[in-house]
Amino acid sequence: DGGITQSPKYLFRKEGQNVTLSCEQNLNHDAMYWYRQDPGQGLRLIYYSQIVNDFQKGDIAEGYSVSREKKESFPLTVTSAQKNPTAFYLCASSIDYNEQFFGPGTRLTVL
Amino acid sequence: QKEVEQDPGPLSVPEGAIVSLNCTYSNSAFQYFMWYRQYSRKGPELLMYTYSSGNKEDGRFTAQVDKSSKYISLFIRDSQPSDSATYLCAMRENDYKLSFGAGTTVTVRA
Repeated sequence: DGGITQSPKYLFRKEGQNVTLSCEQNLNHDAMYWYRQDPGQGLRLIYYSQIVNDFQKGDIAEGYSVSREKKESFPLTVTSAQKNPTAFYLCASSIDYNEQFFGPGTRLTVL
Repeated sequence: QKEVEQDPGPLSVPEGAIVSLNCTYSNSAFQYFMWYRQYSRKGPELLMYTYSSGNKEDGRFTAQVDKSSKYISLFIRDSQPSDSATYLCAMRENDYKLSFGAGTTVTVRA
């Protein structure tokens, strides 16, 4: 059953803590993306990767980091430098420029 | 000014009504236009994908693109309570980066 999985579904972070969100896909897609969704603001691109071992910053990359060591995996780390990390985080993948398929999301809350 | 403008609603309609959603944009280089549906606390799913101006129909859904006016629309005919969701428009140039509208929340009342 092909698709994108994200874990955990809910995540709580204390002040000053780094946390890592997992994203895995078995669609054999080359491109993967991370978005942040806040109420009333739509989706904003954090990072994207077109191929393994390569990634580019999106519009709001400050305070986030990623890696792309395997085609199937694109984890996102929310660092302590991100001052307002509470949001819904969505991972997506696509073949080239085409349709982006989204995962179910991770809701991150700062305590 | 945002690159993509979308009225956040909320929009409430009775079952069976036509739902009309729209977005305007400022970047004339946008070539590909999409509508996503997002249920509460879920990831978005693609509804319609269009290139160039004109209409595209898929079942109860019709997408319209007017590049000269920088305006796109989505119409839902014979709306059902299961259509209650947030609808996001998205668009891109000939590259990877999608630009999203803020989303319109729709409620279809039984």
